[in-house]
Amino acid sequence: GAGVSQSPSNKVTEKGKDVELRCDPISGHTALYWYRQSLGQGLEFLIYFQGNSAPDKSGLPSDRFSAERTGGSVSTLTIQRTQQEDSAVYLCASSLKMQTFFGQGTRLTVV
Amino acid sequence: QKEVEQDPGPLSVPEGAIVSLNCTYSNSAFQYFMWYRQYSRKGPELLMYTYSSGNKEDGRFTAQVDKSSKYISLFIRDSQPSDSATYLCAMSQNSGYALNFGKGTSLLVTP
Repeated sequence: GAGVSQSPSNKVTEKGKDVELRCDPISGHTALYWYRQSLGQGLEFLIYFQGNSAPDKSGLPSDRFSAERTGGSVSTLTIQRTQQEDSAVYLCASSLKMQTFFGQGTRLTVV
Repeated sequence: QKEVEQDPGPLSVPEGAIVSLNCTYSNSAFQYFMWYRQYSRKGPELLMYTYSSGNKEDGRFTAQVDKSSKYISLFIRDSQPSDSATYLCAMSQNSGYALNFGKGTSLLVTP
């Protein structure tokens, strides 16, 4: 596809369960980001992958959060033992030469 | 102090007005500046991208960067109801760093 694709678009999970969110970046984009957006809040940086460099994980809020990027393309964000405060929209973005494009997000609801 | 400050609004203007949206920042190393538009329940959409100081115009939109004042602006001429959205500023040092976002300004253009 032409844009950043995220799946699922919506996810409802029970507290304590693990979830995996997927991001397909724009083909050829070397950088990939995950952000979180809570209701009425700005974008909170989570993790950043740039080419083959070690990812910048400085934004991950706890060790329950992890992400990987396989083959420099698809990325998966995993949240273990979900909590209600994890409820938010998780946005993925990819970029080439600094112009950064976002997917439509995954709306996660923890009940 | 957050690195990027943005007045959340809401800002309400009549159709046809000129809109001015602004962000200030504290990190003098920022060189890349972007404006995003986000409609409700959608991902942010890249509107304008500028490097270093100066102006950039694209249709009804003009982006200005004043690095000496650490101040960036987005002007919307002849505003339309379809411009009603949240506008986010974002900036970065270079490709090795994640984007830093403002919290967004909510704009309502009334017919």
